[in-house]
Amino acid sequence: GESVGLHLPTLSVQEGDNSIINCAYSNSASDYFIWYKQESGKGPQFIIDIRSNMDKRQGQRVTVLLNKTVKHLSLQIAATQPGDSAVYFCAETGRTSGYSTLTFGKGTMLLVSP
Amino acid sequence: DSGVTQTPKHLITATGQRVTLRCSPRSGDLSVYWYQQSLDQGLQFLIQYYNGEERAKGNILERFSAQQFPDLHSELNLSSLELGDSALYFCASSVGVAGDGELFFGEGSRLTVL
Repeated sequence: GESVGLHLPTLSVQEGDNSIINCAYSNSASDYFIWYKQESGKGPQFIIDIRSNMDKRQGQRVTVLLNKTVKHLSLQIAATQPGDSAVYFCAETGRTSGYSTLTFGKGTMLLVSP
Repeated sequence: DSGVTQTPKHLITATGQRVTLRCSPRSGDLSVYWYQQSLDQGLQFLIQYYNGEERAKGNILERFSAQQFPDLHSELNLSSLELGDSALYFCASSVGVAGDGELFFGEGSRLTVL
């Protein structure tokens, strides 16, 4: 596969561990946030989203936490599996852009060892 | 499979040339977005079309242009190509705008300018 970035922050975990990926967003007016997963050679894939009227949202094995005070978003992956190895991006949007655009963070590479 | 189709998958061309990238959105999706992904800049929003009309513009160079046709497919035209235009170009689609739900990304067109 093709690399999407050679200088990304990298999180290395063992299979079965819980992973936490962090993201600092930039626009205090953003009120909708999404986590995407990008596997090598593929396009980004939606994982989970959260709106600013919530501070936590859970999906299957994933939880997103939002701290609007410090403009911080995190993605928790429970019982991480080798198939979770990918680059993870947070993205933000809001009313100021008419929800027309997503601004993506730089990404974090997650490496899961068996 | 996201349902978004991009062609070509790979393209190699020379500086000064012009190329056209094509995107077919998911059935029923009215919005099409173009993103550029490079190693040093991450995922950068270029432009969005909604039902044939330009909806939002990001960091798109004047040498680049796009359009969405009545059948909702979209084309991104890149002209007077420079070495720095080498990147992955992603198309994404959604039913409405970004804040209405997830964007579905294609697998990208990798452009190499020599």
